[in-house]
Amino acid sequence: RKEVEQDPGPFNVPEGATVAFNCTYSNSASQSFFWYRQDCRKEPKLLMSVYSSGNEDGRFTAQLNRASQYISLLIRDSKLSDSATYLCVVRVGTGGFKTIFGAGTRLFVKA
Amino acid sequence: NAGVTQTPKFRVLKTGQSMTLLCAQDMNHEYMYWYRQDPGMGLRLIHYSVGEGTTAKGEVPDGYNVSRLKKQNFLLGLESAAPSQTSVYFCASSPGLINTDTQYFGPGTRLTVL
Repeated sequence: RKEVEQDPGPFNVPEGATVAFNCTYSNSASQSFFWYRQDCRKEPKLLMSVYSSGNEDGRFTAQLNRASQYISLLIRDSKLSDSATYLCVVRVGTGGFKTIFGAGTRLFVKA
Repeated sequence: NAGVTQTPKFRVLKTGQSMTLLCAQDMNHEYMYWYRQDPGMGLRLIHYSVGEGTTAKGEVPDGYNVSRLKKQNFLLGLESAAPSQTSVYFCASSPGLINTDTQYFGPGTRLTVL
């Protein structure tokens, strides 16, 4: 079983739609959680950190459920520019070196 | 402020050849990392460094060596390239904060080993 699992997709949605991704993690010692975005043939870039209380950044909302060991990302009012791969990232402990990247969920937003 | 840069961007090697990938960061970050990314898999950590002069093995270190002689540079070496090392290699750096340590990535090096 992978330490961080994501539905690979692809998710194909029309502009303006709301789409949600889930990610599950297996290590209960996981301490920090992130969503990264990766455009085709580009490097990953931090989209947002995920806090225990949940957090929102514009059209993006991230939630953490420690009891069920999953995190989610909700994108409202999808834009064409949201088309990308979204990586779920989990850090075990407090050091940066035990950072586990999910394989990513591909999103295509169509006009 | 260039962030994290990597050279070269592309490279084709023959089996058995050697090469060095260079990563440089200008953010004065303590931690640096080398990952590889293969289709259908998440990024996997090859080696990392928590400071100048220190290196450690990650998840998939075999066939690679690293050096961090200067804080801003992190080199990844392939001594004898194999087709299984065909991949996209990303370097990253982070300040080394306890809880909110964000990693910043370079643009990647696409390596093909024939």
